[in-house]
Order: sequence, then structure tokens, then C-alpha cells
Amino acid sequence: QKEVEQDPGPLSVPEGAIVSLNCTYSNSAFQYFMWYRQYSRKGPELLMYTYSSGNKEDGRFTAQVDKSSKYISLFIRDSQPSDSATYLCAMSARSGGYQKVTFGIGTKLQVIP
Amino acid sequence: EPEVTQTPSHQVTQMGQEVILRCVPISNHLYFYWYRQILGQKVEFLVSFYNNEISEKSEIFDDQFSVERPDGSNFTLKIRSTKLEDSAMYFCASERRGSWGTEAFFGQGTRLTVV
Repeated sequence: QKEVEQDPGPLSVPEGAIVSLNCTYSNSAFQYFMWYRQYSRKGPELLMYTYSSGNKEDGRFTAQVDKSSKYISLFIRDSQPSDSATYLCAMSARSGGYQKVTFGIGTKLQVIP
Repeated sequence: EPEVTQTPSHQVTQMGQEVILRCVPISNHLYFYWYRQILGQKVEFLVSFYNNEISEKSEIFDDQFSVERPDGSNFTLKIRSTKLEDSAMYFCASERRGSWGTEAFFGQGTRLTVV
């Protein structure tokens, strides 16, 4: 079983829709959960960061973590064409005291005007 | 806003040649990383670096790879004898830590093409 599972998509939604992106993981040692956005041929850009179960909101973005189910989600409200990108979930555990991030494969999202 | 800078943006090299990928991390960060992303695949951890030494490396990071921070600002990844399968985007990241947790910032990447 892969450490982090993520559906690569692609996912196409109309502008204004609510988008739900998800990842599951198998490593119970993961403590920090992140969502990155990556535009084509660019580096990952951190969107959301959390280290506890529950919800965290930032503008149109909500990150949700359920450690008991080993499941994380990112919700995007009122999606815009500029949200079209690949969304990477990422997780880390303390490894020798230093962070090593394990990424999902990324879900490609297209928001259609 | 401070950012991680990588050069060059694109490097084409012949198989068997040595390449050096350069990164300038954010100035007050202490933890540095290299990741790579083969086209169509996930971003993969290569190596972490702290206090002028490697703190962790993946199985990808074999003897052909090395990292150093030669002058206290630049952070380099060297591939001694490139192979076709080394073709990928290479991302440098630097990390800040605080009481709130930890956050890694990525550079724009260097696209390495081995021919």
C-alpha cells in the first residue's frame, strides 16, 4: 500500500462550483498535513497547513483532517478558472527531528468558465 | 516576499556529464531540501540538509548525487555522471520553523534534460 494515495483526476468543474479534493494515507506517524498548488512547470506553492484533526479555513479554501480515518480533504468554494492547477496533498512525520515531506501524485483540476 | 531561487531554469546535458543545480534558499531558514519530479509522476524527496551536513536521504540519492552549501548562501545539488533517467524537474526547498509548526517553501525548479 502506498503511503499516500491521491486520485490524479483530471477533475473538471464549472466556475463557481465547490471542489472537493481528497487523500488517504497509511502511515500513522504523519503529523503535519499540507496542500500545495502546482501550476504547470512551476514549483509547488503551499496553500494550507495543519497538524490537528478538524477543519481549517482560509478564504475560499478549507482543509479537513480526519486522523482516525487517515483521510484529508481540501475544499474550494466558488471555484475560479485561476484555480486550475494540480493540487498536491503532502504529509510529514518527524524523521530524526527534521521534516521529510511525502507527496501524493496530485489531482489535476480544471475550472471551466 | 522572500523566495527560494533556483538556477538555471532549464539545463540540457549529455549522458555521462556532470551537472550542478543551484539554489539560494530564504536567508533565515536553516533546513534545506532537494526534491525531484519526473514528468507525470509525483514529487519525490531526495535529501535534507542541516548544519552543513546531510540529515536524511532517500534511496534515489545514490553515490552519483552530492549536496553542499559552499558559501553559506547557495545550496547545490551535483549529479556526477548523469543518466537518461535523471531527466526531471528538480526542486529546492527551504524550511522555517516556529512555535506554530513548520513550513517549506519551494523554488520554481530546474528542468534537467539528459540526452
